[in-house]
Amino acid sequence: DTEVTQTPKHLVMGMTNKKSLKCEQHMGHRAMYWYKQKAKKPPELMFVYSYEKLSINESVPSRFSPECPNSSLLNLHLHALQPEDSALYLCASSQGSGIVNTGELFFGEGSRLTVL
Amino acid sequence: GDSVTQMEGPVTLSEEAFLTINCTYTATGYPSLFWYVQYPGEGLQLLLKATKADDKGSNKGFEATYRKETTSFHLEKGSVQVSDSAVYFCALSKGGNNRKLIWGLGTSLAVNP
Repeated sequence: DTEVTQTPKHLVMGMTNKKSLKCEQHMGHRAMYWYKQKAKKPPELMFVYSYEKLSINESVPSRFSPECPNSSLLNLHLHALQPEDSALYLCASSQGSGIVNTGELFFGEGSRLTVL
Repeated sequence: GDSVTQMEGPVTLSEEAFLTINCTYTATGYPSLFWYVQYPGEGLQLLLKATKADDKGSNKGFEATYRKETTSFHLEKGSVQVSDSAVYFCALSKGGNNRKLIWGLGTSLAVNP
C-alpha cells in the first residue's frame, strides 16, 4: 500500500470549472512534489515544496495553483484548464535536504484528470 | 547536463524468458540511481535503487548493479512473468538539496503467457 494518498482518483471537468487535487503523506517527509504524466511517458516535474515553501515551479501555467497547508498536505488547484491538460497527476514526497536525501521519491497512485 | 538513456521499447517476451533493459547515464559527481515501475493504470513504484558505485539493488527478482566505469544501471530478471508487464523507468538523482529526478524515456514490457 502506498503511503502517499491522492484524491480523487478520477476527475472529469469542463474548461470553466474549478477543482482541486489533494495529496497527503504521513512519512514525515519535508519535500512534496506535483508531477504531470502522459501515457507511457516519464513524469514531468511541475512544482516542489521544500519545508512547506515553494522551491521549484517549472514554468507551469497559472491555471495550475499549488498549495501546501502543512508538512503533510499538498493541494493542486485547477481553473480554466485546457483539454491538453488531461493527464495523470502524480504527487510524491521525499526526505529532507542534505545527506539524508538520496532523491528517492515516494509516489501516490495519481489522479487521472480529463478536461472536456 | 545530466541525462539518462534507456533502451527503446516495446519489449515483448514470453513467460520465463530472461529480461535485460539497458540504462546508461551521464552525470557529474555521485548520483543515486533508481528503477521505477508503472503497472497499467497505476502510479509509479520504486522497484530498486543503488546509491553508490558497485551497489546492487534487488527486489521481486529484479536486479541492477551501479557500474561507474561504464556509467550503467541495467535492469535484469532471470524469469519474467505475465504480471511483470509494465513500463520501467530508469532515473538518477544528485540527492541532497537537489530536488530534480532525471528520467529516462521508459521501456514498455509486455510478457505473453
